[in-house]
Amino acid sequence: QKEVEQNSGPLSVPEGAIASLNCTYSDRGSQSFFWYRQYSGKSPELIMFIYSNGDKEDGRFTAQLNKASQYVSLLIRDSQPSDSATYLCAVNLSGGYNKLIFGAGTRLAVHP
Amino acid sequence: DAGITQSPRHKVTETGTPVTLRCHQTENHRYMYWYRQDPGHGLRLIHYSYGVKDTDKGEVSDGYSVSRSKTEDFLLTLESATSSQTSVYFCAISDVGVLYGYTFGSGTRLTVV
Repeated sequence: QKEVEQNSGPLSVPEGAIASLNCTYSDRGSQSFFWYRQYSGKSPELIMFIYSNGDKEDGRFTAQLNKASQYVSLLIRDSQPSDSATYLCAVNLSGGYNKLIFGAGTRLAVHP
Repeated sequence: DAGITQSPRHKVTETGTPVTLRCHQTENHRYMYWYRQDPGHGLRLIHYSYGVKDTDKGEVSDGYSVSRSKTEDFLLTLESATSSQTSVYFCAISDVGVLYGYTFGSGTRLTVV
């Protein structure tokens, strides 16, 4: 059974701090990795994707990938109350058809 | 969400009745997916489609069937709804290529009483 594991949280950080979200996965054949943000009652929206080992930065977001350790992380710098949401880690399943397996999500709360 | 719509947005139905949820896309994407989202379980894949009339099962397909007669439409049917199928259902689309993520529809909240 292929799995993606995330700490459910809530992760509480003060405004302006760095939020660090982590994810591990079991399928060694996975090639692409995604972070989605989901506000309460809304659908998930893609915020970051990463395919290669190392770091990828986009504005206040940095995704980190370590395939040897099967570990993906998302850093949010200068956290804002508007970043308060559930963050879903998703990993593509080997075998084609762009199937993604999702973690259960980490709830982030940024307090003023 | 731009390019992908789900209907209905909310539905309450009785145990044992059939229910069909519709997903419609205007992006001409090849791949379409149905997921359900439940507290503590995250998003779980029910069925997916990789082309017109080409569908396959996901990890939680029991009690569900799908059809895709046109590129733009992907239907999910609960043949005989049960209370365990109370959930939020999301449709997603993806373009060809392993590097693409999904675009999600707005979701359908289904309650089976």
